[in-house]
Amino acid sequence: GESVGLHLPTLSVQEGDNSIINCAYSNSASDYFIWYKQESGKGPQFIIDIRSNMDKRQGQRVTVLLNKTVKHLSLQIAATQPGDSAVYFCARVGSGGSNYKLTFGKGTLLTVNP
Amino acid sequence: DTEVTQTPKHLVMGMTNKKSLKCEQHMGHRAMYWYKQKAKKPPELMFVYSYEKLSINESVPSRFSPECPNSSLLNLHLHALQPEDSALYLCASSQDYYQPQHFGDGTRLSIL
Repeated sequence: GESVGLHLPTLSVQEGDNSIINCAYSNSASDYFIWYKQESGKGPQFIIDIRSNMDKRQGQRVTVLLNKTVKHLSLQIAATQPGDSAVYFCARVGSGGSNYKLTFGKGTLLTVNP
Repeated sequence: DTEVTQTPKHLVMGMTNKKSLKCEQHMGHRAMYWYKQKAKKPPELMFVYSYEKLSINESVPSRFSPECPNSSLLNLHLHALQPEDSALYLCASSQDYYQPQHFGDGTRLSIL
């Protein structure tokens, strides 16, 4: 069935290090992937997105990689800062029919140690 | 500050009460969404409105009743809720299904 899952529920890094958060998906009909950051007491905040016709997309300090062969998505955060501490969700929007709803993965809690 | 505004931020109600959650966006987005999020879990889709018409109802119990009065507003009417309905209720909007959804900060709902 369709699912979006994460390899690790928690990730702890030192300030200044690079962080990598991984996500696997099982439905090959996925067209659109989004990473969200959710801080305590707030709603999910859009970070970066990528469509299935791309392998890589870069933003400010963030890079998303999409490997369609192994159905794997990753979010790389460069020079991680304490303000990056949050739960990170990958999410997908399927293609066709009623699959266009947004489905979230379980989330990874990123903790940045000063 | 989020561009999607939700009120109230917190709500405590009894199981016999009727209350409404409100959501507003002025980004011209034509799709609006309600999600429910339990602690330490991802958001789960409840309803989708497209061009002010209900397009998805994820088998949500009838004690939750959505309403879209116009393209900027989305309401969620609550009646006879159960304690397990206590959660964070999130509203989101997007230009279309394949554009990023922008979320409000939610209403923290507690059912006594």
